[in-house]
Amino acid sequence: ETGVTQSPTHLIKTRGQQVTLRCSSQSGHNTVSWYQQALGQGPQFIFQYYREEENGRGNFPPRFSGLQFPNYSSELNVNALELDDSALYLCASSLATGGANVLTFGAGSRLTVL
Amino acid sequence: GQQLNQSPQSMFIQEGEDVSMNCTSSSIFNTWLWYKQDPGEGPVLLIALYKAGELTSNGRLTAQFGITRKDSFLNISASIPSDVGIYFCAGQLRTSYDKVIFGPGTSLSVIP
Repeated sequence: ETGVTQSPTHLIKTRGQQVTLRCSSQSGHNTVSWYQQALGQGPQFIFQYYREEENGRGNFPPRFSGLQFPNYSSELNVNALELDDSALYLCASSLATGGANVLTFGAGSRLTVL
Repeated sequence: GQQLNQSPQSMFIQEGEDVSMNCTSSSIFNTWLWYKQDPGEGPVLLIALYKAGELTSNGRLTAQFGITRKDSFLNISASIPSDVGIYFCAGQLRTSYDKVIFGPGTSLSVIP
């Protein structure tokens, strides 16, 4: 069983640039969620994708967007980067069963915005 | 919005000691979760609780879902060095998607 893999592991961008982060779901999972974890804090929910559509969103502006592909992999895109976007971005996959679904997290992509 | 508080913020204990940490919420949750995060890794699920009053164990770990559905605790017995890490409580609502609200975490250090 393959876990959740994310790429890149680390990257540095400057303010105003755009970034794309990638995630491969755990085998057998069909739902992907993205979380932002600032230093010293707990993860914050960004959004979730199911059947290639966004079906839930946290308190993040529209410049945070995503995609889910037919193989259930996913991308997180952030436009017009701001300094406060510096964080660990976590991808989590799950299998939608209609109940409370257990999330499996990847190791994250560490983004630094200068 | 929903917010979770965890206590203590950090703790330093001797190897072999028992550990207790708490989580409270301003909102009711249907599911309580406890995760552990090691440096450079994503959170790993330790225990999931699905019913008010439920007490669940996973090896040396025991967690309870509070009766009011607004709190939970996690106990670790006979701590060992590999217990070091950040422990997050998290609440989940039964909605059409898996939004999980995380607490700020409790940092645990174990002194050999």
